[in-house]
Amino acid sequence: DVKVTQSSRYLVKRTGEKVFLECVQDMDHENMFWYRQDPGLGLRLIYFSYDVKMKEKGDIPEGYSVSREKKERFSLILESASTNQTSMYLCASSLGQGVHNEQFFGPGTRLTVL
Amino acid sequence: GENVEQHPSTLSVQEGDSAVIKCTYSDSASNYFPWYKQELGKGPQLIIDIRSNVGEKKDQRIAVTLNKTAKHFSLHITETQPEDSAVYFCAAPWNNDMRFGAGTRLTVKP
Repeated sequence: DVKVTQSSRYLVKRTGEKVFLECVQDMDHENMFWYRQDPGLGLRLIYFSYDVKMKEKGDIPEGYSVSREKKERFSLILESASTNQTSMYLCASSLGQGVHNEQFFGPGTRLTVL
Repeated sequence: GENVEQHPSTLSVQEGDSAVIKCTYSDSASNYFPWYKQELGKGPQLIIDIRSNVGEKKDQRIAVTLNKTAKHFSLHITETQPEDSAVYFCAAPWNNDMRFGAGTRLTVKP
């Protein structure tokens, strides 16, 4: 079974802190994604990556950056956390190119910025 | 860009009844429509998908129908059980990623 793990289930940070959210998948998937989930807004794509060292902006990249140094790991970075970044963050991975591939999600990280 | 609208936002049914969730999309070129189920404390998980060369697909108690002319697709759950309680998301492709609906919180009352 594909397993996508996220480094923390719950995280509390202060405004202005630099925050790292880590995601690791164990099935050699090419594609990895970071979403944020907010009530009434569904899943919104922040960034995605098709290959090592490659990244593409999603719908809401402002205030975030990403890093993919290894195929299995995709990190989301909040350079200076703000209260409006309080949210549930979901990482996902999928196999190969194109969108007709099932996305496998991690359990999520609930981030609170005080 | 692709716009996916999902209704209703919440749905409550009695155990044994049917539940229907509907989604509309805007890009007529879209040809793959998955449905994800998110249980409490977990990430979403694919439960069924449909491609545009078929109008309906069934898997036990769940089915998905697609109307390409009207640009909408629906999830049907029959004989609902308490374990069907979850948040359900529809999605449609856009460029090289997916657009998700806002989600439907389904509650099945025993």
